[in-house]
Amino acid sequence: EAGVAQSPRYKIIEKRQSVAFWCNPISGHATLYWYQQILGQGPKLLIQFQNNGVVDDSQLPKDRFSAERLKGVDSTLKIQPAKLEDSAVYLCASSLGLAGRNEQFFGPGTRLTVL
Amino acid sequence: SQKIEQNSEALNIQEGKTATLTCNYTNYSPAYLQWYRQDPGRGPVFLLLIRENEKEKRKERLKVTFDTTLKQSLFHITASQPADSATYLCALLARTGANNLFFGTGTRLTVIP
Repeated sequence: EAGVAQSPRYKIIEKRQSVAFWCNPISGHATLYWYQQILGQGPKLLIQFQNNGVVDDSQLPKDRFSAERLKGVDSTLKIQPAKLEDSAVYLCASSLGLAGRNEQFFGPGTRLTVL
Repeated sequence: SQKIEQNSEALNIQEGKTATLTCNYTNYSPAYLQWYRQDPGRGPVFLLLIRENEKEKRKERLKVTFDTTLKQSLFHITASQPADSATYLCALLARTGANNLFFGTGTRLTVIP
């Protein structure tokens, strides 16, 4: 069974530039998550989709971050414009059902460095 | 404020011993608690889930306990091996409110041969 795919694996940008990350979840998984993991910390949820609808985006900085999940499968996360404090690993995860009751399968992450 | 605290320092143990990792939480009422393993440069990998009405869960050399009175979960690895060296994260789902997982900061475990 293929895992969660993410690209790119690494990205270096200047502050105020924009960047986009892509995620392909495990086939059949209805729920998709984007997390931000700052070095030395645990993952922090940015947004959760159930199929192509947003379940929770309360911790998403909506003035600069946006995400979509087209046709309830792939998802993209965008940052525009980036700030220095956005340097982190961005993890995508998917699960069969709702968070907590189901294990989440994580992708390898995209390491973003903002200079 | 809400907090999830894990052993703040890295944990080093000798191969063959039992590793015990702690997850304490404040101002949460978790319905579920999960433990994940994370290796450098990789995403977390699910290990175990325990429900609020369960006291203990086992899987091979792993054991998780959940004490809602103490607001604590303990994660044990028996007969530890160098391959168990990784960062271990606890995560909880609150019974009410946001339907998402909140992660602790993790504990880095090193098993010394």
